[in-house]
Amino acid sequence: DAGVTQSPTHLIKTRGQQVTLRCSPKSGHDTVSWYQQALGQGPQFIFQYYEEEERQRGNFPDRFSGHQFPNYSSELNVNALLLGDSALYLCASSPGRWDTDTQYFGPGTRLTVL
Amino acid sequence: AQSVAQPEDQVNVAEGNPLTVKCTYSVSGNPYLFWYVQYPNRGLQFLLKYITGDNLVKGSYGFEAEFNKSQTSFHLKKPSALVSDSALYFCAVIMGGGNKLTFGTGTQLKVEL
Repeated sequence: DAGVTQSPTHLIKTRGQQVTLRCSPKSGHDTVSWYQQALGQGPQFIFQYYEEEERQRGNFPDRFSGHQFPNYSSELNVNALLLGDSALYLCASSPGRWDTDTQYFGPGTRLTVL
Repeated sequence: AQSVAQPEDQVNVAEGNPLTVKCTYSVSGNPYLFWYVQYPNRGLQFLLKYITGDNLVKGSYGFEAEFNKSQTSFHLKKPSALVSDSALYFCAVIMGGGNKLTFGTGTQLKVEL
């Protein structure tokens, strides 16, 4: 049973560019959440997708957007990249969107903005 | 606003000794509490969670955590530490309205021979 997978593993972009990160949830999971982990900090919630809709959003600007596909996979898009967007981006999936559902994380995508 | 605090940036323990990684929370109502572990350049691995019921929760790799409502704490424990337990540990909380995790700042655990 494959766990949560993310691609690419690493990515280098320059300021002002746009980036798309991808996530495939664990088998049987229909909810995908995205987190940003800056160096030396805990992960920060970006948003959550369920039934192809954004259900919850953290304190991130509109430059951060996402999508969920019918097969439950998801994309995170970041426009107009800033140096401060450099971070590890983590995708997590869960079997539902309830408070008690455990979220399982992928290995992350390391984004470096130069 | 809900939050968790991990008061120690680093914990050092000798292999074979018991370990404790501290976490306190601040939420209104009943919290759902989680522990995750992160190895270098890796994602987070789920260890255990407290939802309701028995205050002592057992999890993966021999870890356990004790929920203490009066002290608003959820400390992670292991009776006998291994060198392979050396990693970054995160406490997290969910409080109502969907399962958005709010994480602490993390505690680096170093287990030495």
